[in-house]
Amino acid sequence: DVKVTQSSRYLVKRTGEKVFLECVQDMDHENMFWYRQDPGLGLRLIYFSYDVKMKEKGDIPEGYSVSREKKERFSLILESASTNQTSMYLCAGGGADTQYFGPGTRLTVL
Amino acid sequence: GENVEQHPSTLSVQEGDSAVIKCTYSDSASNYFPWYKQELGKRPQLIIDIRSNVGEKKDQRIAVTLNKTAKHFSLHITETQPEDSAVYFCAAQGGEYGNKLVFGAGTILRVKS
Repeated sequence: DVKVTQSSRYLVKRTGEKVFLECVQDMDHENMFWYRQDPGLGLRLIYFSYDVKMKEKGDIPEGYSVSREKKERFSLILESASTNQTSMYLCAGGGADTQYFGPGTRLTVL
Repeated sequence: GENVEQHPSTLSVQEGDSAVIKCTYSDSASNYFPWYKQELGKRPQLIIDIRSNVGEKKDQRIAVTLNKTAKHFSLHITETQPEDSAVYFCAAQGGEYGNKLVFGAGTILRVKS
């Protein structure tokens, strides 16, 4: 059974803090994705990666960066958290098409 | 631009009735269409998918149909049960979407018992 894990289920941070969200997959898949989920907006792609040290911007990359130093780990970084980044963050890993999601991190920025 | 339209946004059905959710995509070269179910507080889970070389796929009470000419695909749930209550997301991949999945906005399905 494929497994995608995220470092925290709930996180509370203050405006201006640097935030790291970690994602690990055990599927040996090249592809990893970060989404944010907001009511009525579905799943919006922030960044994705098709290989180690490779990253591409998704639809809403502003205010975020990513790091992929190892195949199994994909980190989302909020350089300076703002209140409009309060959201559910979902990581996914996958092969050529199907994606498998992690449990999500609910981030609140005060 | 890349866009997947999903309707309806909410759907209430009586237990035992059928539910249909429809999605429309913009690029005829898209070739992979998954459906995800997300129960309250849980991760989205893949429930069924279809590729562009197939018109219909079934798995027990759920089925997906694809109309390439009209560029839409639909999820059909028969004999609905309370545990079918969830948010359902469609997605499309390929063509202008590249290798990314572009998701619809989601449908909240409520099955009333």
